[in-house]
Amino acid sequence: DAKTTQPPSMDCAEGRAANLPCNHSTISGNEYVYWYRQIHSQGPQYIIHGLKNNETNEMASLIITEDRKSSTLILPHATLRDTAVYYCIVSAHTGANSKLTFGKGITLSVRP
Amino acid sequence: DGGITQSPKYLFRKEGQNVTLSCEQNLNHDAMYWYRQDPGQGLRLIYYSQIVNDFQKGDIAEGYSVSREKKESFPLTVTSAQKNPTAFYLCASKRTGFAPAGYTFGSGTRLTVV
Repeated sequence: DAKTTQPPSMDCAEGRAANLPCNHSTISGNEYVYWYRQIHSQGPQYIIHGLKNNETNEMASLIITEDRKSSTLILPHATLRDTAVYYCIVSAHTGANSKLTFGKGITLSVRP
Repeated sequence: DGGITQSPKYLFRKEGQNVTLSCEQNLNHDAMYWYRQDPGQGLRLIYYSQIVNDFQKGDIAEGYSVSREKKESFPLTVTSAQKNPTAFYLCASKRTGFAPAGYTFGSGTRLTVV
């Protein structure tokens, strides 16, 4: 079973920020939060990961709450090409809990 | 460019036939994974390998087999024992080491059994 909870879908307007929430209340101390996205009929694409500090890269920002029980992926200026299924996953770096377990993700629809 | 290649993109087979899906990577990654995806569902782990000549069953290994004779290659065989083999199959790889890293996925093979 996936260890994260995401709403099934959300939408946002093109050019606006998309804030995708994720709950992971049972996260362990050694588990990272990973985000991937999958555009229809393609392989998933890695976006970002974090442990407890907020992270930013060229694709997105990841905000993790202080208690680490939830996080938010932020796409600062959503485009139509960002329409995809976004998966939030918690996983350890090594050991038995290092495999990625995908849930159903959240479908983001960016409207013109 | 480094990457992970799955072939073929589409595959059709008759019921009862074994079929092998190819996965090759030139990223020098140690770990490789096979996932299955059904329509509207997330990915489910079939098999994974952390090192050459070693692999472990994932959550849905029944009816599948793998080999890892070379670091670059991790082929998946869908056997006739797999009850519902029609699905989208995804291969992934990841570097192992001190720092965590994301997986790199291939573009997938869509298998249809008729």
